[in-house]
Amino acid sequence: DTGVSQDPRHKITKRGQNVTFRCDPISEHNRLYWYRQTLGQGPEFLTYFQNEAQLEKSRLLSDRFSAERPKGSFSTLEIQRTEQGDSAMYLCASSLNNRSPQHFGDGTRLSIL
Amino acid sequence: QKEVEQNSGPLSVPEGAIASLNCTYSDRGSQSFFWYRQYSGKSPELIMFIYSNGDKEDGRFTAQLNKASQYVSLLIRDSQPSDSATYLCAVNEGGAGGTSYGKLTFGQGTILTVHP
Repeated sequence: DTGVSQDPRHKITKRGQNVTFRCDPISEHNRLYWYRQTLGQGPEFLTYFQNEAQLEKSRLLSDRFSAERPKGSFSTLEIQRTEQGDSAMYLCASSLNNRSPQHFGDGTRLSIL
Repeated sequence: QKEVEQNSGPLSVPEGAIASLNCTYSDRGSQSFFWYRQYSGKSPELIMFIYSNGDKEDGRFTAQLNKASQYVSLLIRDSQPSDSATYLCAVNEGGAGGTSYGKLTFGQGTILTVHP
């Protein structure tokens, strides 16, 4: 069990650029979740997948955000035309099923200049 | 709007004491409840989960659940300085017929400081 892996750990980019993050879940986990966390707040749900199907997207996820999990394994989260307000920690988690505990990766910290 | 409320603290306890962390939630359909520990600059780490009313113990940690009161708590016995962190309460959103959607709603976290 190698845990949930996220890449990159840190991303600094200029406003207006596109960024893409990757998440590799624990291998036997069917569920994969994306959350966003800002300083002093708990993580906020963005979207989740069961295998390759994206089951729900939060209202927080504007049209500039898109997520995929093409083969039911790793997932990518892309942000287009980044804005200052996108600066946050982006967390990926995975779980066996809808009730089991979610295990988080180390996160990707995004800073928009 | 599903909500999870925690006292943001900071909660300060002396080393060796019991730390008590509380959480209330609004979704009566919630079935699964989790406590995560988060050190500054790190990601959340699962420390306890509970599904049924009552107490669940694991080492120095005890989670307590009261669904009627929509209340979850975490007790940390023999608190150590290494327990100093933010503790996040998370609730699994309930669906129809007692199912769970899977996505978590988090409280804002309680900052715990254990002083020697």
